[in-house]
Order: sequence, then C-alpha cells, then structure tokens
Amino acid sequence: KQEVTQIPAALSVPEGENLVLNCSFTDSAIYNLQWFRQDPGKGLTSLLLIQSSQREQTSGRLNASLDKSSGRSTLYIAASQPGDSATYLCAVVGDYQLIWGAGTKLIIKP
Amino acid sequence: EPEVTQTPSHQVTQMGQEVILRCVPISNHLYFYWYRQILGQKVEFLVSFYNNEISEKSEIFDDQFSVERPDGSNFTLKIRSTKLEDSAMYFCASSAKATGVNYGYTFGSGTRLTVV
Repeated sequence: KQEVTQIPAALSVPEGENLVLNCSFTDSAIYNLQWFRQDPGKGLTSLLLIQSSQREQTSGRLNASLDKSSGRSTLYIAASQPGDSATYLCAVVGDYQLIWGAGTKLIIKP
Repeated sequence: EPEVTQTPSHQVTQMGQEVILRCVPISNHLYFYWYRQILGQKVEFLVSFYNNEISEKSEIFDDQFSVERPDGSNFTLKIRSTKLEDSAMYFCASSAKATGVNYGYTFGSGTRLTVV
C-alpha cells in the first residue's frame, strides 16, 4: 500500500531564503506526482505536475524534482516571500487516485 | 484558466439530515473525483467517476454516500443521514485522463461541511 510522507511537518524561515520541502513515497510504481498549495481553510491549488518519465519541472521560483527509484520528490522554493506561507502537499498517483502526504506548513517571516 | 467550481462553500447541517454537495468540473474533462479532508488530517480519496458510473471507491465511500452527474455539467455528492464525523472539507476534482497524465488534477475550492 502506497504511503506518502512529508518532512518536515513545519518550517519557519526568514524572507529571502531558499528552501527545500521533501516528499517520499514507498511504491515507485507511480504515474505522476503533483505538488499543491493549501492556504488555511482553503482549496488545493496545483503548483507543479511531474510525469513519471520526468525528472523535474519548473514554474517561476518553484522547482520540483522526482527520483522514482529512491521514492523521493523535492520542492525547491527560491527567494522565499511572506506570500509563500501556506501548507504544501505532495500527492502521487497510483491506481487511479491521489495518495496524499500530510503536508509541510511553511511560514516565511518578513 | 479553467476552474472546478464547488457550491456551497460552507454548509451547516443537523445530524441525520441529508446534504448534497455540488461541483461543476472543467468542461472537457472526463474523470471526476471527490476527496475529503477532516480538519488536521490528510486528504482522503472517496470516489472516482467516469462514463456515468463509479470507477473506483474507497472504504470510506459506503452506502451513506452516492454520486451523480445529473445533467452533463454538474457532479454531485450526496451524504445521507449525516454524522458528526462527516464534518470535513470536501473537494471535487476533475482530470482529462484517468491517471492525471499530462495535465494532472484540478481541484475546486472545497465545501466545508459542519454537522452539528
């Protein structure tokens, strides 16, 4: 059974720092992996999608990598801003459903 | 950019009542889903729907739940005889392809259901 783990559970950094969020999964047989952002009490906003055949995807200050063989993905955020404060969730697609991590709650201090 | 629309954004209902949560998926998507997130917990899969029938459902999705695509644009989740533990954020999602390949999944902003 696929398990997705995100470390750390919470992270607080000063504005301007580069940071890395981690996601690991137990079964490497995934179709793709998607990173989402969730603001408190709000919906799920897709940030990046990495297909199983891809190694990384970039969007603006965000870069996501995927290493299927080791069961890991990272989300790199460059030059963090207070507006980046949110919970970041990774989800992998196995058998036609998304399996979710618990998220990393990120706080960027001005 | 195309969106998945969910209504209502908040719903308060009394225990034992029936609720219907509504979703309008992206128009050219063929696969539809409901997920839920109990406060402080992981997002959980409930059901997937394709070609007017359920394609997969989780253990959570028991006889208390049902889904329907009544008119070709709306996708609804009905919860019968609500319980306190049904209180959660319910998310609707759609995708162009079964595994979200190429384009991923698009989620709505959710309906917060509170059962009192």
